[in-house]
Amino acid sequence: EAQVTQNPRYLITVTGKKLTVTCSQNMNHEYMSWYRQDPGLGLRQIYYSMNVEVTDKGDVPEGYKVSRKEKRNFPLILESPSPNQTSLYFCASQIAGGPYEQYFGPGTRLTVT
Amino acid sequence: SQQGEEDPQALSIQEGENATMNCSYKTSINNLQWYRQNSGRGLVHLILIRSNEREKHSGRLRVTLDTSKKSSSLLITASRAADTASYFCATDSPFRNQAGTALIFGKGTTLSVSS
Repeated sequence: EAQVTQNPRYLITVTGKKLTVTCSQNMNHEYMSWYRQDPGLGLRQIYYSMNVEVTDKGDVPEGYKVSRKEKRNFPLILESPSPNQTSLYFCASQIAGGPYEQYFGPGTRLTVT
Repeated sequence: SQQGEEDPQALSIQEGENATMNCSYKTSINNLQWYRQNSGRGLVHLILIRSNEREKHSGRLRVTLDTSKKSSSLLITASRAADTASYFCATDSPFRNQAGTALIFGKGTTLSVSS
C-alpha cells in the first residue's frame, strides 16, 4: 500500500529537549515536504526536499532542521523545542515536477511545555 | 504567504443537500488542487484542475475554475455525513524555485453534514 508514515503520532516534551520526527514514504517520490498546521493559520511549509541531499527552506523554517540522506526518509529535527512549536505536523511526498497530488502522512501532534 | 482563501470558513448542511465552497487566490497559477482533511488527520487529495480547464468532475465532486476572477469552487452533491471534514484549496507557486511542486494551502472550509 502506497503510504507516508510518521512517528511518533503524539509527543509531549519539554522546552529544550531535542527531538526528531521521522517520515518515510514507499512510493519512490523525489519530493518531500514538512508542514505545520495551526488553528487559524492553515498549513505552512517548514522545509522541503527535491531529492536526496537537496533541501531548502519553506515559509517557517526557524527552529527546525531536516536531512535527506535516503530517498524514502525525511526526518524533521527540533534541536531546542520551544512552546511556540506546539503544533500538528505533516509530512508529504510527491513525484517531482508537477502538477501532481501530494500524499500526506497521518500527522504528529507535538506539545512542548 | 497566503495564496488561497476559502469561503465560507464553516458550513453546516443536512444530508442530501449540496455543499459549495469557494477559493480565491491572488496571483496567477498553473493549477489548483482541493484536499479533504478529516479531523486531525492527514490531507487527502480530491481533485486537480489546470489553469486551462474550466470544470472538472470526480464522482459527486464538481470543481470549477475562473482564472479571470482568480477563483475556484468545489461542489459536493447529495452530501453525506461522511463528507464532514475540512476542505482546503491549494495553489501552485510559480514564484518558488520548487520546479512546480510547491503548494500553498488556504485556511480551509469546515463542512458539517448532519443526518
